[in-house]
Amino acid sequence: DGGITQSPKYLFRKEGQNVTLSCEQNLNHDAMYWYRQDPGQGLRLIYYSQIVNDFQKGDIAEGYSVSREKKESFPLTVTSAQKNPTAFYLCASSLVAGGRNIQYFGAGTRLSVL
Amino acid sequence: GIQVEQSPPDLILQEGANSTLRCNFSDSVNNLQWFHQNPWGQLINLFYIPSGTKQNGRLSATTVATERYSLLYISSSQTTDSGVYFCAVVLTGGGNKLTFGTGTQLKVEL
Repeated sequence: DGGITQSPKYLFRKEGQNVTLSCEQNLNHDAMYWYRQDPGQGLRLIYYSQIVNDFQKGDIAEGYSVSREKKESFPLTVTSAQKNPTAFYLCASSLVAGGRNIQYFGAGTRLSVL
Repeated sequence: GIQVEQSPPDLILQEGANSTLRCNFSDSVNNLQWFHQNPWGQLINLFYIPSGTKQNGRLSATTVATERYSLLYISSSQTTDSGVYFCAVVLTGGGNKLTFGTGTQLKVEL
């Protein structure tokens, strides 16, 4: 099945704990992205990566970290420095070539604080 | 940064009705996408439409880049059309960074 897989669907974080959200794609896309969505709001960009071993901060990177060791994978770590982590997290990917940057999204992970 | 405004913020329709959703953006863009977010949160691609007009079944979209707006038309609406509709743009020269609007919440009733 082709697409973008996010896991887990639901995640609970304890105070002071780091948690990692998984995002895997088998679309052979070059670029991958992480967004955060708060209730009733649009999506905001956390981090993005256009090539393996390289990534850039988005608009709300504080309290988050990422890695891009493989083309297919772009995990997001929500660190204890992120004081308000409860949100819906969405991962996306896109082909970069040809100027048509069409982003496709995974099903999301809902993170809550215990 | 670029501002993306959508209207109306909320819309309630009777099944079978038509509607037009609007997206205004403040700067020149080279990418515009429309998405439907279903009640489970999944974002579904509707259109990639930086300019011109496209149609897909009951949905169509038009972007007038020179006037900085895009319209999404939904005809003969169905209850399964309910959810939130987002437009998202990439600023010209802005790499691949999508900026999302605040969305239009649509509810289609029987």
